[in-house]
Amino acid sequence: DGGITQSPKYLFRKEGQNVTLSCEQNLNHDAMYWYRQDPGQGLRLIYYSQIVNDFQKGDIAEGYSVSREKKESFPLTVTSAQKNPTAFYLCATARGGAGANVLTFGAGSRLTVL
Amino acid sequence: QQQVKQSPQSLIVQKGGISIINCAYENTAFDYFPWYQQFPGKGPALLIAIRPDVSEKKEGRFTISFNKSAKQFSLHIMDSQPGDSATYFCAAIVFSQGAQKLVFGQGTRLTINP
Repeated sequence: DGGITQSPKYLFRKEGQNVTLSCEQNLNHDAMYWYRQDPGQGLRLIYYSQIVNDFQKGDIAEGYSVSREKKESFPLTVTSAQKNPTAFYLCATARGGAGANVLTFGAGSRLTVL
Repeated sequence: QQQVKQSPQSLIVQKGGISIINCAYENTAFDYFPWYQQFPGKGPALLIAIRPDVSEKKEGRFTISFNKSAKQFSLHIMDSQPGDSATYFCAAIVFSQGAQKLVFGQGTRLTINP
């Protein structure tokens, strides 16, 4: 949506497996974010990155890892250490620079652990 | 302090009625307040946003009212239509450690009955 491509849209995983969710953007935005959405809990921040090769933990980073090797890409790995990984994962981007910049979201990836 | 509290959790309105969703916050460092609309299986999309130095902003049938002293803001949807049925999130932007972060309310599931 709006220049942000998340893949896969649906993913099934067995317990104990790591999975990687892809997020690619062509908006030339500096900042990228990963949110997790669970019913009735809104969106919670997992990781965010303001520039290439730099990222920070959000509120619920345990059991997740990210990388930011290119401006366009911010993949999220859900590791076997994440105790309850079944959720809807949303990638978002924002322009950098001064002032508040609203986020643009991708269409999401739904992960189900079997 | 980083929380945004949203109510109600769900709302049913008749077609043509007014839908009202309320949010409250504690952190006075929040300096921009967007509202997002999300349809099932999709990512949230920006609906309307307001700065704290403005008391009201209107875009078509959507109006944000902002009360800075009470630290509350609300979304009004006039002449509500079945196509407005979606989940709505209020949010607040805060700058922390040189980075912009978005804090979300818990969401309101709005249903417009025809």
